Amino acid sequence: QKEVEQDPGPLSVPEGAIVSLNCTYSNSAFQYFMWYRQYSRKGPELLMYTYSSGNKEDGRFTAQVDKSSKYISLFIRDSQPSDSATYLCAMSPVGRGSTLGRLYFGRGTQLTVWP
Amino acid sequence: DADVTQTPRNRITKTGKRIMLECSQTKGHDRMYWYRQDPGLGLQLIYYSFDVKDINKGEISDGYSVSRQAQAKFSLSLESAIPNQTALYFCATSKKGGETQYFGPGTRLLVL
Repeated sequence: QKEVEQDPGPLSVPEGAIVSLNCTYSNSAFQYFMWYRQYSRKGPELLMYTYSSGNKEDGRFTAQVDKSSKYISLFIRDSQPSDSATYLCAMSPVGRGSTLGRLYFGRGTQLTVWP
Repeated sequence: DADVTQTPRNRITKTGKRIMLECSQTKGHDRMYWYRQDPGLGLQLIYYSFDVKDINKGEISDGYSVSRQAQAKFSLSLESAIPNQTALYFCATSKKGGETQYFGPGTRLLVL
């Protein structure tokens, strides 16, 4: 079992819809949680970053972390065709030595927002 | 100019050939990483380096080697390429003590 599980989709929604993307994880040492967005034929780019539990909002994007359930979410409000991309969750443990700074990625969810 | 650059962007090679993928960064970050991405498998860590003298194996290092020539340069080599190494390869960087990583544009490799 991978340490980070993410439904690969694909997910297809109409413009204006609310999108919910999710990941679950098994390692309780994970403390840093990120969402990356990857457009076709491009490298992943950081979208959201949160530490420990709670919510973080940035424009139309909201990231939620529930450490008790080992579950993170990304919500996209008023989705736009330009949001069409693959979204990858990533997380990092608090650790020492070589574990510090390593990221563990989900497989990515492919999202299409149609006009 | 891009902060993390990768060369070449596309490469076709034959089974058994040795190839090198190069990564350069101008972000001043200490840490550099090599990943491969396959459809449906997400990003898998090949090697990572926390400074010039520190090299660590990732999840899938077999068949690969790396060289950290300087703080800004990190190269990935396939000593004898095989078809199942056909994938998209990404270099990434992060600063010391930072959790977020910044990715290059990727190298698309096809091994025939």
